[in-house]
Amino acid sequence: LAKTTQPISMDSYEGQEVNITCSHNNIATNDYITWYQQFPSQGPRFIIQGYKTKVTNEVASLFIPADRKSSTLSLPRVSLSDTAVYYCLVGAPRDDKIIFGKGTRLHILP
Amino acid sequence: DAGITQSPRHKVTETGTPVTLRCHQTENHRYMYWYRQDPGHGLRLIHYSYGVKDTDKGEVSDGYSVSRSKTEDFLLTLESATSSQTSVYFCAISESAGWGYGYTFGSGTRLTVV
Repeated sequence: LAKTTQPISMDSYEGQEVNITCSHNNIATNDYITWYQQFPSQGPRFIIQGYKTKVTNEVASLFIPADRKSSTLSLPRVSLSDTAVYYCLVGAPRDDKIIFGKGTRLHILP
Repeated sequence: DAGITQSPRHKVTETGTPVTLRCHQTENHRYMYWYRQDPGHGLRLIHYSYGVKDTDKGEVSDGYSVSRSKTEDFLLTLESATSSQTSVYFCAISESAGWGYGYTFGSGTRLTVV
């Protein structure tokens, strides 16, 4: 399982675009990159997954450069309700298990 | 969360007593997982199951055992609870061949060992 490194915490303001970068230098060929979001007192929730280039859904975008050694989760026009912990995970989809790191605590200010 | 229920939601127990947490799913997913979450440690995998009666250890399995006699139920047992096992416990399920298809997490059980 690839080790990931992401910032411990970030602050931003309502209406801004927030970018959270995750480093995964030892990503393997079969590995995908997945992001989860966790609100206080709730379990994590799947946000987005990608393998290369760019993936976009109704919640976020995921940018993956050609070397795949890092990835960036982009949250457009954040609101106070986006305050949460965001986890970056890297691994092959057919792995039986995945290890969560400590995540990035995102705090949105009014 | 729809399809996955954890019970109890909160529990206070005394050191040395046995405790069993239950995870119940209605999605018929093959894979089930138990995680614990503590400040400063993020989510850590305790045990997981890849089918009825098929289980394996995660990174923090000492002091815990699991059982899965039916597809829908995954039980986590603390044989003799210790204060270090005070934590929030999350169950997760996935549809097939592991996590890459997206885990669905339960709402958690807050366990306090006094």
